[in-house]
Amino acid sequence: GAGVSQTPSNKVTEKGKYVELRCDPISGHTALYWYRQSLGQGPEFLIYFQGTGAADDSGLPNDRFFAVRPEGSVSTLKIQRTERGDSAVYLCASSLKDRVQNDLGEQFFGPGTRLTVL
Amino acid sequence: RKEVEQDPGPFNVPEGATVAFNCTYSNSASQSFFWYRQDCRKEPKLLMSVYSSGNEDGRFTAQLNRASQYISLLIRDSKLSDSATYLCVVKDSGKLIFGQGTELSVKP
Repeated sequence: GAGVSQTPSNKVTEKGKYVELRCDPISGHTALYWYRQSLGQGPEFLIYFQGTGAADDSGLPNDRFFAVRPEGSVSTLKIQRTERGDSAVYLCASSLKDRVQNDLGEQFFGPGTRLTVL
Repeated sequence: RKEVEQDPGPFNVPEGATVAFNCTYSNSASQSFFWYRQDCRKEPKLLMSVYSSGNEDGRFTAQLNRASQYISLLIRDSKLSDSATYLCVVKDSGKLIFGQGTELSVKP
Protein backbone atom coordinates (compact mmCIF):
# COMPACT_ATOMS: atom_id res chain seq x y z
CA GLY A 1 0.00 0.00 0.00
CA ALA A 2 0.99 3.65 -0.20
CA GLY A 3 3.42 4.98 2.36
CA VAL A 4 3.65 8.44 3.87
CA SER A 5 3.88 11.11 1.20
CA GLN A 6 5.13 14.66 1.53
CA THR A 7 4.89 17.63 -0.79
CA PRO A 8 6.76 19.44 -2.09
CA SER A 9 9.91 17.34 -2.14
CA ASN A 10 12.00 20.51 -2.38
CA LYS A 11 11.15 24.08 -1.47
CA VAL A 12 13.42 27.09 -1.97
CA THR A 13 12.24 30.35 -0.47
CA GLU A 14 13.58 33.70 0.57
CA LYS A 15 14.15 34.89 4.09
CA GLY A 16 10.97 36.37 5.52
CA LYS A 17 8.55 34.39 3.35
CA TYR A 18 5.78 32.03 4.50
CA VAL A 19 5.86 28.33 3.60
CA GLU A 20 3.51 25.37 3.97
CA LEU A 21 4.65 21.77 3.96
CA ARG A 22 2.13 18.98 3.49
CA CYS A 23 2.05 15.43 4.82
CA ASP A 24 -0.28 12.59 3.78
CA PRO A 25 -0.02 9.78 6.35
CA ILE A 26 -0.61 6.10 5.75
CA SER A 27 -4.36 5.53 5.49
CA GLY A 28 -5.87 4.68 8.86
CA HIS A 29 -2.90 5.84 10.93
CA THR A 30 -4.20 7.91 13.82
CA ALA A 31 -0.90 9.41 14.95
CA LEU A 32 1.13 11.84 12.84
CA TYR A 33 4.52 13.33 13.69
CA TRP A 34 6.71 16.10 12.35
CA TYR A 35 10.50 16.07 12.72
CA ARG A 36 13.26 18.32 11.40
CA GLN A 37 16.69 17.07 10.34
CA SER A 38 19.62 19.39 9.86
CA LEU A 39 22.73 18.32 7.98
CA GLY A 40 24.84 15.87 9.93
CA GLN A 41 22.29 15.53 12.72
CA GLY A 42 19.56 13.07 13.65
CA PRO A 43 15.91 14.05 13.24
CA GLU A 44 14.58 16.37 15.94
CA PHE A 45 10.97 16.11 17.15
CA LEU A 46 8.66 19.05 16.48
CA ILE A 47 5.04 18.05 17.12
CA TYR A 48 2.71 15.09 17.06
CA PHE A 49 -1.01 14.67 16.54
CA GLN A 50 -3.35 12.02 17.84
CA GLY A 51 -6.37 12.44 15.58
CA THR A 52 -7.04 16.14 15.00
CA GLY A 53 -5.45 17.47 18.17
CA ALA A 54 -1.80 18.22 18.89
CA ALA A 55 -0.86 15.79 21.66
CA ASP A 56 2.63 17.24 22.10
CA ASP A 57 3.98 20.40 20.48
CA SER A 58 6.95 20.81 22.81
CA GLY A 59 9.45 20.56 19.95
CA LEU A 60 8.23 23.56 17.97
CA PRO A 61 11.17 26.00 18.20
CA ASN A 62 9.11 29.22 18.39
CA ASP A 63 5.78 30.75 17.46
CA ARG A 64 6.73 31.07 13.79
CA PHE A 65 6.04 27.34 13.51
CA PHE A 66 2.49 26.00 13.51
CA ALA A 67 0.92 22.72 12.38
CA VAL A 68 -2.65 21.62 11.77
CA ARG A 69 -4.48 18.38 11.05
CA PRO A 70 -8.09 19.51 10.71
CA GLU A 71 -9.68 16.22 9.63
CA GLY A 72 -7.35 13.82 11.37
CA SER A 73 -5.58 12.77 8.20
CA VAL A 74 -3.49 15.24 6.14
CA SER A 75 -1.33 17.65 8.11
CA THR A 76 0.26 20.96 7.15
CA LEU A 77 3.32 22.44 8.82
CA LYS A 78 3.36 26.22 8.46
CA ILE A 79 6.41 28.41 8.92
CA GLN A 80 6.06 32.19 9.04
CA ARG A 81 8.81 34.73 8.41
CA THR A 82 11.32 32.04 7.45
CA GLU A 83 14.92 32.41 8.54
CA ARG A 84 18.07 30.88 7.07
CA GLY A 85 18.34 28.68 10.17
CA ASP A 86 15.04 27.02 9.22
CA SER A 87 16.78 25.30 6.30
CA ALA A 88 16.54 21.55 6.90
CA VAL A 89 14.73 18.41 5.80
CA TYR A 90 11.26 18.29 7.35
CA LEU A 91 10.17 14.70 7.92
CA CYS A 92 6.67 13.46 8.59
CA ALA A 93 5.84 10.08 10.10
CA SER A 94 2.67 8.24 10.99
CA SER A 95 1.78 5.30 13.18
CA LEU A 96 -1.11 3.10 14.20
CA LYS A 97 -1.96 2.75 17.86
CA ASP A 98 -0.92 -0.64 19.23
CA ARG A 99 -4.03 -1.80 21.07
CA VAL A 100 -2.23 -4.62 22.83
CA GLN A 101 0.54 -2.51 24.29
CA ASN A 102 -1.63 0.63 24.37
CA ASP A 103 1.29 2.34 22.76
CA LEU A 104 1.86 4.20 19.55
CA GLY A 105 3.29 1.66 17.14
CA GLU A 106 6.15 1.83 14.66
CA GLN A 107 6.57 5.21 13.03
CA PHE A 108 6.83 5.12 9.24
CA PHE A 109 8.58 8.09 7.71
CA GLY A 110 7.88 9.97 4.51
CA PRO A 111 10.69 11.02 2.13
CA GLY A 112 10.80 14.53 3.61
CA THR A 113 10.65 18.06 2.25
CA ARG A 114 14.01 19.75 1.79
CA LEU A 115 13.54 23.41 2.72
CA THR A 116 16.17 25.94 1.71
CA VAL A 117 15.85 29.52 2.92
CA LEU A 118 18.05 31.94 0.98
CA ARG B 1 24.15 17.15 27.35
CA LYS B 2 22.21 15.55 24.47
CA GLU B 3 19.48 13.06 25.39
CA VAL B 4 20.93 10.42 23.07
CA GLU B 5 24.62 10.41 22.24
CA GLN B 6 26.45 8.46 19.56
CA ASP B 7 29.91 8.48 18.05
CA PRO B 8 29.30 10.10 14.63
CA GLY B 9 32.08 8.12 12.94
CA PRO B 10 32.61 7.61 10.08
CA PHE B 11 33.45 3.95 10.47
CA ASN B 12 35.27 2.65 7.40
CA VAL B 13 35.46 -1.15 7.39
CA PRO B 14 36.23 -3.86 4.82
CA GLU B 15 33.58 -6.30 3.67
CA GLY B 16 33.19 -9.18 6.09
CA ALA B 17 34.28 -7.17 9.12
CA THR B 18 32.40 -7.04 12.40
CA VAL B 19 31.53 -3.53 13.54
CA ALA B 20 29.95 -2.28 16.77
CA PHE B 21 28.10 0.96 17.44
CA ASN B 22 27.42 2.35 20.88
CA CYS B 23 24.96 4.82 22.23
CA THR B 24 24.07 6.31 25.63
CA TYR B 25 20.82 7.93 26.72
CA SER B 26 20.14 10.31 29.59
CA ASN B 27 16.52 9.60 30.64
CA SER B 28 16.54 6.62 32.98
CA ALA B 29 12.74 6.37 32.69
CA SER B 30 12.90 5.61 28.95
CA GLN B 31 11.16 2.36 28.06
CA SER B 32 11.55 1.78 24.34
CA PHE B 33 14.71 1.69 22.27
CA PHE B 34 15.43 1.23 18.59
CA TRP B 35 18.04 1.31 15.88
CA TYR B 36 17.04 3.05 12.65
CA ARG B 37 18.94 2.99 9.38
CA GLN B 38 19.11 6.02 7.09
CA ASP B 39 20.54 5.89 3.58
CA CYS B 40 21.95 9.04 2.03
CA ARG B 41 19.17 11.58 1.30
CA LYS B 42 16.49 9.06 2.29
CA GLU B 43 14.13 8.78 5.24
CA PRO B 44 15.01 6.78 8.38
CA LYS B 45 13.70 3.22 8.48
CA LEU B 46 13.36 0.96 11.51
CA LEU B 47 16.15 -1.60 11.62
CA MET B 48 15.26 -3.28 14.88
CA SER B 49 13.85 -2.74 18.34
CA VAL B 50 16.17 -3.26 21.31
CA TYR B 51 15.14 -5.36 24.30
CA SER B 52 16.75 -5.82 27.71
CA SER B 53 17.37 -9.49 26.99
CA GLY B 54 19.22 -8.63 23.79
CA ASN B 55 17.92 -9.57 20.39
CA GLU B 56 19.27 -10.75 17.09
CA ASP B 57 18.07 -10.42 13.51
CA GLY B 58 20.35 -12.26 11.12
CA ARG B 59 23.72 -10.52 11.14
CA PHE B 60 22.50 -7.79 13.49
CA THR B 61 22.53 -8.01 17.29
CA ALA B 62 21.21 -5.29 19.60
CA GLN B 63 21.85 -5.03 23.33
CA LEU B 64 20.46 -2.80 26.06
CA ASN B 65 22.03 -2.16 29.45
CA ARG B 66 19.51 -0.22 31.54
CA ALA B 67 21.84 0.20 34.51
CA SER B 68 24.43 1.94 32.35
CA GLN B 69 21.84 3.52 30.02
CA TYR B 70 23.77 2.09 27.12
CA ILE B 71 22.60 0.59 23.80
CA SER B 72 24.70 -1.23 21.24
CA LEU B 73 24.40 -2.61 17.73
CA LEU B 74 26.70 -5.28 16.35
CA ILE B 75 26.89 -6.02 12.64
CA ARG B 76 28.66 -9.24 11.68
CA ASP B 77 30.02 -10.14 8.22
CA SER B 78 29.32 -6.62 6.96
CA LYS B 79 28.16 -6.17 3.37
CA LEU B 80 28.61 -3.27 0.96
CA SER B 81 24.85 -2.73 1.26
CA ASP B 82 25.20 -2.07 5.01
CA SER B 83 26.76 1.33 4.19
CA ALA B 84 24.41 3.88 5.75
CA THR B 85 23.93 6.01 8.84
CA TYR B 86 22.72 4.14 11.91
CA LEU B 87 20.56 6.14 14.31
CA CYS B 88 20.12 5.22 17.95
CA VAL B 89 16.59 6.10 19.07
CA VAL B 90 14.76 6.32 22.38
CA LYS B 91 10.98 6.68 22.55
CA ASP B 92 9.76 9.20 25.12
CA SER B 93 6.00 9.72 25.58
CA GLY B 94 5.28 8.77 21.98
CA LYS B 95 7.96 10.88 20.34
CA LEU B 96 11.28 9.54 19.04
CA ILE B 97 14.51 11.05 20.34
CA PHE B 98 17.32 10.44 17.85
CA GLY B 99 21.04 10.39 18.32
CA GLN B 100 23.27 12.17 15.85
CA GLY B 101 23.77 8.97 13.87
CA THR B 102 26.89 6.92 13.13
CA GLU B 103 28.02 6.74 9.53
CA LEU B 104 29.21 3.35 8.28
CA SER B 105 31.06 2.83 5.04
CA VAL B 106 31.80 -0.76 4.00
CA LYS B 107 34.51 -1.05 1.35
CA PRO B 108 35.24 -3.97 -1.00
